[in-house]
Formats: sequence, C-alpha cells, structure tokens
Amino acid sequence: DAGVIQSPRHEVTEMGQEVTLRCKPISGHDYLFWYRQTMMRGLELLIYFNNNVPIDDSGMPEDRFSAKMPNASFSTLKIQPSEPRDSAVYFCASSLVPGQGIYEQYFGPGTRLTVT
Amino acid sequence: GENVEQHPSTLSVQEGDSAVIKCTYSDSASNYFPWYKQELGKRPQLIIDIRSNVGEKKDQRIAVTLNKTAKHFSLHITETQPEDSAVYFCAALNSNSGYALNFGKGTSLLVTP
Repeated sequence: DAGVIQSPRHEVTEMGQEVTLRCKPISGHDYLFWYRQTMMRGLELLIYFNNNVPIDDSGMPEDRFSAKMPNASFSTLKIQPSEPRDSAVYFCASSLVPGQGIYEQYFGPGTRLTVT
Repeated sequence: GENVEQHPSTLSVQEGDSAVIKCTYSDSASNYFPWYKQELGKRPQLIIDIRSNVGEKKDQRIAVTLNKTAKHFSLHITETQPEDSAVYFCAALNSNSGYALNFGKGTSLLVTP
C-alpha cells in the first residue's frame, strides 16, 4: 500500500487566495483526520471523518476553513481566503477501525503551506 | 476536553545514555496512549503505544510506563543512538468520547555522539 497520500507537498500563495489541500487515505481505513502543525501550537486536530461523515470539527479555526470527504478515498481541506497566520504544515491521517480497538493513525507526508 | 502536558520540551543526551520523556493527562477515562516520533521534515510515526489495562510495555530499546492513578505516562529510551534524534509526541485518547488523539506539545531529543 502507498500509505496516506497528500498533495501538493508544498504550496506558496498570496494572502486572500483560496487554497485546497488534498488527501487520499489508506484503502479500507474508515477514519480520516486533518491536523495542523506549527512550532507555537504543536499538532492540532482540525476535523475528523468516519465513513465520509464529519464527526468532530471543533478544531476548525474559523469559517475560512472547510473540509469535505465526498467519498472513501478522497478528502479536501480548503482555506478561503488564506491569511499569513495559516502558514503551517497540514497533515492528513487515517486509521482502520477504532471501534475494534485499532487506534493507530497513519500520517501522510504533509503539505507545507506558506501564505505571503 | 482532554489536556496533555509533555516535559521536557527539549532534551539532550550523549549516545548510550537513557532518555525519559513524561506526559500527564487530564481525562481519567483515557484508555489509549501512543507515542509518535517525527524526524525533521518527516511525518509523525507511531513507535509504541499502551492501553489503560497495562502498566508497562517494552519493545527493544523503547519502553512506556503508565500510572493511571497519577494520570501520567512516560517514554524510556535506553542506549540512545544518534538516529533517535527527533521530536517525540505523546498523546491520549478516550475511546468512549471519540477517536481524536490529544497530542502533547512534543519533546525535541538530541543524541550527541
């Protein structure tokens, strides 16, 4: 298996522009998580999905952020409009079936976002 | 919600020495405690985990201990090697409340030859 796939790996954009980050979870994994990592705040959970349904979006910073999972193999995280303080590494992770006691999350390589 | 505190934030040891990283959690119902290692520029990867029904778990040079009464757990790395240099994150999960991991802020470990 190729693992969790994220694209793009790097994104540089100007303030005010729309940014879309993409994630393909490991096949068969029912849960998908979006994290943001910064030096100041560490690893923050933004939102997670179960079977394509958002379960907890309490970590989404504000209305400028939105996430979707239209099917089991694809998810997007969108920032519109982007701001310099959104600069961070965004990770996507997936896990098998936590309901069966398998909680390990597999992280993708991350997208490094720079907003100028 | 769950709050996970991790100490120290940085740790420097000489090759061959042991390293210990400690975490405390606030939710007494938390039942799963993983440790992730993140090398520079790479993704976090699970290195060891422990569940609340176990007090200690060991995997070669790495061990984790859990004290449920005190609500703290620790990562122990023995015979450290330069390749152990990385950022280590602890996390806690209460599976009865969902499956979101609550991460500590991380410990940057440097092993000097």
